[in-house]
Amino acid sequence: DQQVKQNSPSLSVQEGRISILNCDYTNSMFDYFLWYKKYPAEGPTFLISISSIKDKNEDGRFTVFLNKSAKHLSLHIVPSQPGDSAVYFCAASTMEYGNKLVFGAGTILRVKS
Amino acid sequence: DGGITQSPKYLFRKEGQNVTLSCEQNLNHDAMYWYRQDPGQGLRLIYYSQIVNDFQKGDIAEGYSVSREKKESFPLTVTSAQKNPTAFYLCASSIGGGLAKNIQYFGAGTRLSVL
Repeated sequence: DQQVKQNSPSLSVQEGRISILNCDYTNSMFDYFLWYKKYPAEGPTFLISISSIKDKNEDGRFTVFLNKSAKHLSLHIVPSQPGDSAVYFCAASTMEYGNKLVFGAGTILRVKS
Repeated sequence: DGGITQSPKYLFRKEGQNVTLSCEQNLNHDAMYWYRQDPGQGLRLIYYSQIVNDFQKGDIAEGYSVSREKKESFPLTVTSAQKNPTAFYLCASSIGGGLAKNIQYFGAGTRLSVL
């Protein structure tokens, strides 16, 4: 049972425009959410996170939005740059699971110049 | 220069052979994790350790074994019982301690292939 889903396998965006990556979850006990970025043959790099007590967290070009009622979060990248081309994973955790991370399958982002 | 070091970067396993993947961290983190990534899939948890001399099975522990004799080291052995070992293996660590904000930091990974 996939508790964290990234329904878009890939996304293509023009340089300078906004990239929006989406993530849905099913377990209402999740209380902390993270986004990771991964280049081929490398380990994931932590990007940004959000606690369930917030609905928005911003860090430079990256903003994460959380809609708890819809069990949905999204990552906005503005403006998108070619170097942002990578696989983006969302992950969720809860104290109920000992704070282990549950990952989505990832979305491949391609930023065209 | 703090971080997580995985070695080797590429590893080949023969049929019936056990192989061990190394993971070392100098971040002074209590918790360490092993994940497996297959093409088109997310990261799946194999084993994790919250503290030295203690570890727990993750979602796909069958065919794998680990040890945690030192805080900085968490080696993963892929045994001959793992029938489909070809994958990209990632090690991670976090501060742990039951903190709600469990940011995990990853190594560069080891790609394991079967000869």
